Amino acid sequence: QSALTQPASVSGSPGQSITISCTGTSSDVGGYNYVSWYQQHPGKAPKLMIYDVSNRPSGVSNRFSGSKSGNTASLTISGLQAEDEADYYCSSYTTSSTWVFGGGTKLAVL
Amino acid sequence: EVQLVESGGGLVQPGGSLRLSCAASGFTFSSYAMHWVRQAPGKGLEYVSAISSNGGSTYYANSVKGRFIISRDNSTLYLQMGSLRAEDMAVYYCARLGAGGAAWGQGTLVTVSS
Repeated sequence: QSALTQPASVSGSPGQSITISCTGTSSDVGGYNYVSWYQQHPGKAPKLMIYDVSNRPSGVSNRFSGSKSGNTASLTISGLQAEDEADYYCSSYTTSSTWVFGGGTKLAVL
Repeated sequence: EVQLVESGGGLVQPGGSLRLSCAASGFTFSSYAMHWVRQAPGKGLEYVSAISSNGGSTYYANSVKGRFIISRDNSTLYLQMGSLRAEDMAVYYCARLGAGGAAWGQGTLVTVSS
């Protein structure tokens, strides 16, 4: 199973909005509405930010939103804040009944 | 509250073995497939292994197939790791993945070095 494709890095200024893409195939992202997004700060475990494409767990800011079109999912962070600077990973369920991750995107808040 | 607590990591020589454990609480463990995900230093997340809710079906990434064995009992997930290589050095996370959300442990570090 090949990793999902994410940009290596994105950046934005405080208050701006950014979008991170996650491209897979019809065997994963395009085939299921089971895309998740994780935020990871250095030395910490991944934190679930979005599940099932567009749902936010309790406690996650509504500045984070998710969507999907075809084989590409997206995470949008609005009103960028300094604490949003982290690595972000997408993940999708696959036809093999397993999960696959993206390579990760480093978000810099300038 | 869902909790996953890994243990068993440590320093092991190349070619050695190690067994990781993940103690689960706060949910009906027997109803969920469980997974191991690892992260090498400075690298991304790698999906390593999975086991079905009843233990009858397992999955291994090609990178660990034939060397790692995943298992489970009433409330604990295990990963028996053998023939360890330098490239197996990573933080290993136990995770409950699936529709409706996910839960992760804090991870346990496996260091492979002579």
